Amino acid sequence: KAGVTQTPRYLIKTRGQQVTLSCSPISGHRSVSWYQQTPGQGLQFLFEYFSETQRNKGNFPGRFSGRQFSNSRSEMNVSTLELGDSALYLCASSLGARTGELFFGEGSRLTVL
Amino acid sequence: DAKTTQPPSMDCAEGRAANLPCNHSTISGNEYVYWYRQIHSQGPQYIIHGLKNNETNEMASLIITEDRKSSTLILPHATLRDTAVYYCIVRVAFHAGNMLTFGGGTRLMVKP
Repeated sequence: KAGVTQTPRYLIKTRGQQVTLSCSPISGHRSVSWYQQTPGQGLQFLFEYFSETQRNKGNFPGRFSGRQFSNSRSEMNVSTLELGDSALYLCASSLGARTGELFFGEGSRLTVL
Repeated sequence: DAKTTQPPSMDCAEGRAANLPCNHSTISGNEYVYWYRQIHSQGPQYIIHGLKNNETNEMASLIITEDRKSSTLILPHATLRDTAVYYCIVRVAFHAGNMLTFGGGTRLMVKP
C-alpha cells in the first residue's frame, strides 16, 4: 500500500512569490492534515480537511490556505512568501475523522530567498 | 488538550531498553496519550496510544500510571535506527478532527 506522497520534495522561491504544495493521501484515507516544521517553532498544525471540508485551522495568517478534492488529494498554498515561511511542510492522512493516528509523508522543504 | 513535559534528550545503549518518560499532570479523563517519533529528515511516525491501560504493539509498550499523570514509552531492545525525536501528545478522545499539538519532544540517541 503506497504511503502519503508529497510533491515537490524540495523547492526554492523568492519573497513575494506564491507556492502550491500537493499531497496524495493513503488510498481510502479521507482526512488530510498539514503541518509546518521549523527549527524555532517545531511542528505546528496548519489545517485539516475531511471530505473536502476544512475541519480545523491552526493559528496561521490568511496567506496560508488549502483545499481538498473529491479524491481526497489535498493542496496547500502560501501566497506572498516571506523569509519566515522557509520550513518543512508535512502532510498527514488518516482513515477516520477522529482517530488521532496519522500517517505522515516525507514533506516538502520550502526555502524562501 | 493537556500540556506534556518531556526531557529534551536521552541516551540509550544499543540492545538495552529505552524508557522515555512523559508528564501530563493536567490530563483529563477523556484524553488519550499518543506517542510519535520523527527520524531525521522524515515525517513523524505513529507509535502507540492509550487511555489508562498499558498497551503494547510490535514497536513499543506504553505504561500509564494509575493516576494518569505520567506515562513511559518503552522500546524493549533499542537499535541505532531508533535514534529519533519522540513526541508525547495528549489528545481528547474522539475529538472532532485529527489535530495534534506537538511539543519539543525527547531526542533519543541510541549508541553502539
